[in-house]
Amino acid sequence: QSALTQPPSASGSPGQSVTISCTGTSSDVGGYNYVSWYQQHPGKAPKLIIYEVSRRPSGVPDRFSGSKSGNTASLTVSGLQAEDEADYYCSSPAGSHNWVFGGGTKLTAL
Amino acid sequence: QVQLVQSGAEVKKPGASVKVSCKASGYTFTGYNMHWVRQAPGQGLEWMGRIISNSGGTNYAQKFQGRVTMTRDTSINTSYMELSSLRSDDTAVYYCARGNNYAFDYWGQGTLVTVSS
Repeated sequence: QSALTQPPSASGSPGQSVTISCTGTSSDVGGYNYVSWYQQHPGKAPKLIIYEVSRRPSGVPDRFSGSKSGNTASLTVSGLQAEDEADYYCSSPAGSHNWVFGGGTKLTAL
Repeated sequence: QVQLVQSGAEVKKPGASVKVSCKASGYTFTGYNMHWVRQAPGQGLEWMGRIISNSGGTNYAQKFQGRVTMTRDTSINTSYMELSSLRSDDTAVYYCARGNNYAFDYWGQGTLVTVSS
């Protein structure tokens, strides 16, 4: 199972919006409405910020939003803040009770 | 509150095995599956497999088939991941993560496994 494709890096100025893409295939991202996104700060465990493509767990700011079109999912961070600087990973079921992650995107607040 | 507490760091020699534990609290253990994810130094997340906490059934990523064994002890709300025939490229932080609605909603703090001769 190949990893989902994410850009290695993304950046934006504080207050701007940044979108991170996550491209898979019809066997994973395109085949399920269960894409999830994780935020990971250095030295910390990942934290769930989006599940089922666009749903936010309790406590996650609404400046984080998710969407999907075909085989590509996207995470948008609106009103970028300094504390949003972190690594972001997408994940999707991939059939036969398997899951796959994206390679990760390092988000920098300029 | 949901907590997943993992066992401490390990140093192993090539060819050895390691067993990492993950003790769950704050929820009904058998109501959620447990996944294992690893992260090599400076690298991304890699899904290894999952155990169905209720039945003990398992699904493993093809890459780890034959080398990984996931078990659980429902009497002490603990899941285990054992990886055998360790190589240097198995050096990584290993996480347990609770499965919920096809996502991983709570994560352990991670266990660093170092494989070195």
